[in-house]
Amino acid sequence: SAVISQKPSRDICQRGTSLTIQCQVDSQVTMMFWYRQQPGQSLTLIATANQGSEATYESGFVIDKFPISRPNLTFSTLTVSNMSPEDSSIYLCSVTGGSNEQFFGPGTRLTVL
Amino acid sequence: AQTVTQSQPEMSVQEAETVTLSCTYDTSESDYYLFWYKQPPSRQMILVIRQEAYKQQNATENRFSVNFQKAAKSFSLKISDSQLGDAAMYFCAYTNDYKLSFGAGTTVTVRA
Repeated sequence: SAVISQKPSRDICQRGTSLTIQCQVDSQVTMMFWYRQQPGQSLTLIATANQGSEATYESGFVIDKFPISRPNLTFSTLTVSNMSPEDSSIYLCSVTGGSNEQFFGPGTRLTVL
Repeated sequence: AQTVTQSQPEMSVQEAETVTLSCTYDTSESDYYLFWYKQPPSRQMILVIRQEAYKQQNATENRFSVNFQKAAKSFSLKISDSQLGDAAMYFCAYTNDYKLSFGAGTTVTVRA
């Protein structure tokens, strides 16, 4: 399984600001995924990030709010823009394994005041 | 997105006993994958077990086993000989391509 790291592990931000979350994988992967987990809730897919192309966003998520970069096969960033308290969540990145499973990073806990 | 339903918000089990978590899903596909993930308070998502729909044999990983009933679209997880370290949120997940659909989760507490 891939080893995935995320930075920062947690942050407290003021409303109206933006935060960029980094996801680094120890091997080259085609697809990377970004999820949001609101407090006490399940995981919701934000977007799929492929290297060399625009990210594909799920219903309810837009590029202006959650811009994603994927500059190479081991790295991706997710920016949460113009934050409000409703954006307080855990944000997780993941990559696919060999049997359609996904392996997850440790998550970034974001609190917006 | 496919629907994955976990009807048990919380389950409690005595240490060394067995607990079963239920999961049902809705799909018209014949080929797909099912997973159980564990999320302890550290929030790390850990893959517990996977099941391929075309395999009739139920998957087993040490103390974790599943009861996969394809016709009933049911995929339950049994944790045997429960340990304190099993305390976590457990999520059932489905995919037939590369996107995972998750259930709402079941919180498992283990009583010493």
